[in-house]
Amino acid sequence: QTVVTQEPSLTVSPGGTVTLTCASSTGAVTSVYYPNWFQQKPGQAPRALIYSTSNKHSWTPARFSGSLLGGKAALTLSGVQPEDEAEYYCLIYYGGVWVFGGGTKLTVL
Amino acid sequence: EVQLVESGGGLGQPGGSLRLSCAASGFTFSSYWMHWVRQAPGKGLVWVSRINSDGSSTSYADSVKGRFTISRDNAKNTVYLQMNSLRGEDTAVYYCARVPVGSWAWSDPWGQGTLVTVSS
Repeated sequence: QTVVTQEPSLTVSPGGTVTLTCASSTGAVTSVYYPNWFQQKPGQAPRALIYSTSNKHSWTPARFSGSLLGGKAALTLSGVQPEDEAEYYCLIYYGGVWVFGGGTKLTVL
Repeated sequence: EVQLVESGGGLGQPGGSLRLSCAASGFTFSSYWMHWVRQAPGKGLVWVSRINSDGSSTSYADSVKGRFTISRDNAKNTVYLQMNSLRGEDTAVYYCARVPVGSWAWSDPWGQGTLVTVSS
């Protein structure tokens, strides 16, 4: 069973930069896994942020960026805002099925 | 305005069945693959199933394979999830989501979700 692993929690100061990562139990994450990233705030449905590794949706704030870093998918937030405090999930494609990571709770403090 | 509205959740008996629906509006439904994703209370997101644009191809997470069936009616702009042999671990909020044909971009908005509780 494929497992996708994210940091359980991270803390960042307002205005700071933080990188969340997403690792696959099958090996290095590459572009053919089409990583997507989502933000979810309490009581709300998830919101799509990034698709196919690094592409932003029209509604994605410029401070969010996606990349591949050391064999993992990565989501970087630059100039973090208080409203960025949320749970973040990556989603990886494995040839017909998709697997979410366990999520990273980002605290802005 | 793009909308996905899930319904059909509620209390289900262990071993019983429920059928979820997701009604879509505001976009060309037949141009999207549709997915179901669930989230147990206080837990993370779990991908459940997907169906292609014309309903000819489906896939499932191992945890629901053989028990759940996804289908769609493009004339009604609706995707369904038939849930059989329900288990306690199926208790979750179920969301539907869309991905354009030929794309890997999971898009917004998602539906508000429908809560399924499996309990005797």
